[in-house]
Amino acid sequence: QQQVKQSPQSLIVQKGGISIINCAYENTAFDYFPWYQQFPGKGPALLIAIRPDVSEKKEGRFTISFNKSAKQFSLHIMDSQPGDSATYFCAASHASNTGKLIFGQGTTLQVKP
Amino acid sequence: DAGITQSPRHKVTETGTPVTLRCHQTENHRYMYWYRQDPGHGLRLIHYSYGVKDTDKGEVSDGYSVSRSKTEDFLLTLESATSSQTSVYFCAISGKDDTQYFGPGTRLTVL
Repeated sequence: QQQVKQSPQSLIVQKGGISIINCAYENTAFDYFPWYQQFPGKGPALLIAIRPDVSEKKEGRFTISFNKSAKQFSLHIMDSQPGDSATYFCAASHASNTGKLIFGQGTTLQVKP
Repeated sequence: DAGITQSPRHKVTETGTPVTLRCHQTENHRYMYWYRQDPGHGLRLIHYSYGVKDTDKGEVSDGYSVSRSKTEDFLLTLESATSSQTSVYFCAISGKDDTQYFGPGTRLTVL
C-alpha cells in the first residue's frame, strides 16, 4: 500500500526557474516529512525536513510548504541551477514507528542551462 | 556518507545462491535500516534494527533476513537469491533525531 504519492515523475526546468515537486500522504499519524536529494551512483542525502507544527520551512533556495488539512507537502527550488539536476524523494514517518520512512516514488529533475 | 560503508559495492550472482551484504557504521547510532531502490518504487524498507540483536520486518521483507551482533554492523542476507531481488540496496542509520543518513549503496544483479 503506497502511503506517500509523489508527482511529477520527471521535471524539466530552465536555469533560473522554479522547480516544484508535490507529495500527498494518507496516514495522519505522520509527523516528520523530509526531502532527499540523490545524484546518480550515490545514496540519498537529506535536503530539508519539516514537522506539522509549521506550514513552511526555507533553507537557502529550497522551501518546503506543508498543508496539514490537505495532507500534502511540496518542495520548491528557487532559481534552479544545472547542479540541482538529480532525483528527489519525499518521505514521511511518525515518531512512534521507530523512524521508519515511507518514501514517494521519486522525481527526476533536469535543469537546462 | 556520515561514516557508513557498504560492501560489496557491486555483486553479480546466480539464482539460488546465498548473498550477504554488509553495512558498517562508525557513528554509534542505534537505528539501522536496509532499503531497496527500484525504478518507479522509490526506496522501500526491507528490515530495520533498533539495537543489537533487535530487528524487525519492513515493507518488503520476504526472502530477506538480517542480523546485528554489534552496534556497528548490520548484515542483510538473501538466503536463495532470485532475479526479482536484482536491485540497488541502501543501508541507512539514524540517531536520536529522525534524520536518516544513507550509505553509498550496493548494486546487486541476480542472473
